[in-house]
Amino acid sequence: EAQVTQNPRYLITVTGKKLTVTCSQNMNHEYMSWYRQDPGLGLRQIYYSMNVEVTDKGDVPEGYKVSRKEKRNFPLILESPSPNQTSLYFCASRQHSGNTIYFGEGSWLTVV
Amino acid sequence: QQQVKQSPQSLIVQKGGISIINCAYENTAFDYFPWYQQFPGKGPALLIAIRPDVSEKKEGRFTISFNKSAKQFSLHIMDSQPGDSATYFCAASMRGGKLIFGQGTTLQVKP
Repeated sequence: EAQVTQNPRYLITVTGKKLTVTCSQNMNHEYMSWYRQDPGLGLRQIYYSMNVEVTDKGDVPEGYKVSRKEKRNFPLILESPSPNQTSLYFCASRQHSGNTIYFGEGSWLTVV
Repeated sequence: QQQVKQSPQSLIVQKGGISIINCAYENTAFDYFPWYQQFPGKGPALLIAIRPDVSEKKEGRFTISFNKSAKQFSLHIMDSQPGDSATYFCAASMRGGKLIFGQGTTLQVKP
């Protein structure tokens, strides 16, 4: 089954404690991205990657890092989480020249 | 100019009624306009999409109406059902480019 898998799905952490949200896709997609969803703000892109070892900032990259060492994986790293990063996070992927984006099921992150 | 503005933020419709969600954009270079549907606890999933060379696209009970001159497009859900209760996002992009999402509309269809 074609899917985007992200873990953990739910996490409560404390301010400043580094965490990583993993993302993996099995569709051999070149393009992967991370979004955060906040009420009234919709889906905002954090970072994206056009292919292995190619990453770029989205609209709200501050406080986040990413890496793309393998085509299927695109982890999101919060080096020093803060409460304003409490949000619902989605990983997504698509073919390089395609339009349809496939989303994971989301990761609820709470920073206290 | 990259924004997509979506309204209303929330919508309550009776079963069998018509749900209408509107979006407006500024960038005339956008050439792909999808709608995504998101159920609680799930990621958004593509519902229906349109390109600007047509004014309407229909798939079952879901229709996109597109007005290129006004730079607006809307989603119509005919005969709305409780199972349609979800959050809906409009979006826009240029070919192969970043997808810009609207703010989302939470639809509740009452039995």
